[in-house]
Amino acid sequence: GAGVSQSPSNKVTEKGKDVELRCDPISGHTALYWYRQSLGQGLEFLIYFQGNSAPDKSGLPSDRFSAERTGGSVSTLTIQRTQQEDSAVYLCASSLLAGGPYEQYFGPGTRLTVT
Amino acid sequence: AQKITQTQPGMFVQEKEAVTLDCTYDTSDPSYGLFWYKQPSSGEMIFLIYQGSYDQQNATEGRYSLNFQKARKSANLVISASQLGDSAMYFCAMSPPLTSGTYKYIFGTGTRLKVLA
Repeated sequence: GAGVSQSPSNKVTEKGKDVELRCDPISGHTALYWYRQSLGQGLEFLIYFQGNSAPDKSGLPSDRFSAERTGGSVSTLTIQRTQQEDSAVYLCASSLLAGGPYEQYFGPGTRLTVT
Repeated sequence: AQKITQTQPGMFVQEKEAVTLDCTYDTSDPSYGLFWYKQPSSGEMIFLIYQGSYDQQNATEGRYSLNFQKARKSANLVISASQLGDSAMYFCAMSPPLTSGTYKYIFGTGTRLKVLA
């Protein structure tokens, strides 16, 4: 079946512009996660959605970052007034349920470059 | 607070040999899960293996096994008969306790494995 897809695969933007990153999770997966990975680094948790529960936004680095998940499926991560330090690969993952033994399935990521 | 530590930034192994990638964790809760993921140069994270804190036996998946030592809080990944395609970044991760009310996973900083021909 189809895996997690993300678009765009690459995004180059000028400092100060807004960007939207999209994630299509695996159908039927109730949990969706966003991570940020800077060059050669580990994964930094940003936000997760689980079913109809309120999202856990505790990892968002500033109020310039926001995310939504419409209809329990597609998610959009928005970064307003981008800064050079926002340059990174943004990874989306989904899992059947959150927590427990349920592994996360990752998308290919969006590489964001802020010039 | 939970924490994952991977102390080996890079490892080399000869093709067909076994290799152990270290992972230690810290949690005060008895209920948690441990995962290993592989990230090839293409960038996509691939799930390898899972170990629950209450599992009695070490998890195995093909050439991957997890050496789970609960008392020492370690969950090392063992790759047997290494192949060139195993060259990648490997991440250890922990799911939060069931009682925590959160599903925020913690990832280690990763170990880069290079398999030599």
